[in-house]
Amino acid sequence: QSVLTQPPSVSGAPGQRVTISCTGSSSNIGAGYDVHWYQQLPGTAPKLLIYGNSNRPSGVPDRFSGSKSGTSASLAITGLQAEDEADYYCQSYDSSLRGGGVVFGGGTKLTVL
Amino acid sequence: EVQLVESGGGLVQPGGSLRLSCAASGFTFSSYWMHWVRQAPGKGLVWVSRINSDGSSTSYADSVKGRFTISRDNAKNTLYLQMNSLRAEDTAVYYCARDPGYCTNGVCRYYYYYYYMDVWGKGTTVTVSS
Repeated sequence: QSVLTQPPSVSGAPGQRVTISCTGSSSNIGAGYDVHWYQQLPGTAPKLLIYGNSNRPSGVPDRFSGSKSGTSASLAITGLQAEDEADYYCQSYDSSLRGGGVVFGGGTKLTVL
Repeated sequence: EVQLVESGGGLVQPGGSLRLSCAASGFTFSSYWMHWVRQAPGKGLVWVSRINSDGSSTSYADSVKGRFTISRDNAKNTLYLQMNSLRAEDTAVYYCARDPGYCTNGVCRYYYYYYYMDVWGKGTTVTVSS
């Protein structure tokens, strides 16, 4: 059971907009810690998509956007394309964990219909 | 080109040991904190360990604390993960990843609550089985 909760799957047709939620608690997202998002295409390593809640690294299309409010964060993808089909993970810091405190969500599989 | 290349994975019996390496190139390795993240077959990402830029500070997930040791050789631009007392549940693809820190106006600092990974290797597979 991940500290950050994501829906196991979402889907959308090409051109549509989808959102992926990442729900935390008062010891992580709700405490103000930033959320970062990663995309993992099938059979490949994860790739940074969003950092610091809403910042895009260079090279990431502006179809991808992130936001945070309260104890949750969201990743939005507009103009859905076939190549967006992948697993998406949120990541943050949790102050209640011993050790390093780095936590990932369980991941969400995006299917492009 | 910024690159991380892991090696050292393989098949090992329960209770055995393995040392993973991660060779860095294309950036000033000694300036960055680094992480190991693993992914069991068909499962999600799990953070394993972190080391600061000069190797003087480390942290571990509870599941590997006391069994795994992260280290680095900045002269060789290489990150390591020594894994002892391996268990079946350690079976996973192990990724090394670079942490850029919190950067503003071209200055980057590290804070214990602000970790993320901007460059990832392709991973190396560790299988623990008899």
